[in-house]
Amino acid sequence: GIQVEQSPPDLILQEGANSTLRCNFSDSVNNLQWFHQNPWGQLINLFYIPSGTKQNGRLSATTVATERYSLLYISSSQTTDSGVYFCAVHRRINDYKLSFGAGTTVTVRA
Amino acid sequence: EPEVTQTPSHQVTQMGQEVILRCVPISNHLYFYWYRQILGQKVEFLVSFYNNEISEKSEIFDDQFSVERPDGSNFTLKIRSTKLEDSAMYFCASRFDRGVRNEQFFGPGTRLTVL
Repeated sequence: GIQVEQSPPDLILQEGANSTLRCNFSDSVNNLQWFHQNPWGQLINLFYIPSGTKQNGRLSATTVATERYSLLYISSSQTTDSGVYFCAVHRRINDYKLSFGAGTTVTVRA
Repeated sequence: EPEVTQTPSHQVTQMGQEVILRCVPISNHLYFYWYRQILGQKVEFLVSFYNNEISEKSEIFDDQFSVERPDGSNFTLKIRSTKLEDSAMYFCASRFDRGVRNEQFFGPGTRLTVL
């Protein structure tokens, strides 16, 4: 199956700092989603971004499908940004199951 | 905004007991999924369901698992005889897809603890 690699595995930030999370995938994809898992375990949809760039407040994401990677940018981080960030992809038109990366654990310190 | 809901939020059961996890997908969605996440690990696909039948399942989804859409709104995952290793967070997801957009929407999860 498709391999999804996320880096770094852990990230510690001071409140107000900016950061970039990376997601590499091993095959062409039809869907890429970023999620934030909060301390209660809920998966919060951040972006649906199979290609291009999107912004939502302090978060933005870019997917370069031809080079098989996606980046998630967090600007002016806040303590509420802490949690695990997952990238998930599905590959073919008729293969809709999402394959998740192992996640990046972000800790934002006040 | 429509959302996927799951009940219960936390279920504790004894090994060998049957459990049913319930999900209400977004109302006009056509594709339904179950995923699980063992504590500290990545989220794993279990099964997908479309047009009242399983469209794909993983090797994890053995004979102990079954899914059902008993009416027009609920989507359930049944584990017939729970094992300790079934302890995990179980997520339901749904997707609309009559076109290009294939975004999956996830429920808040059910944390299953098997003692």
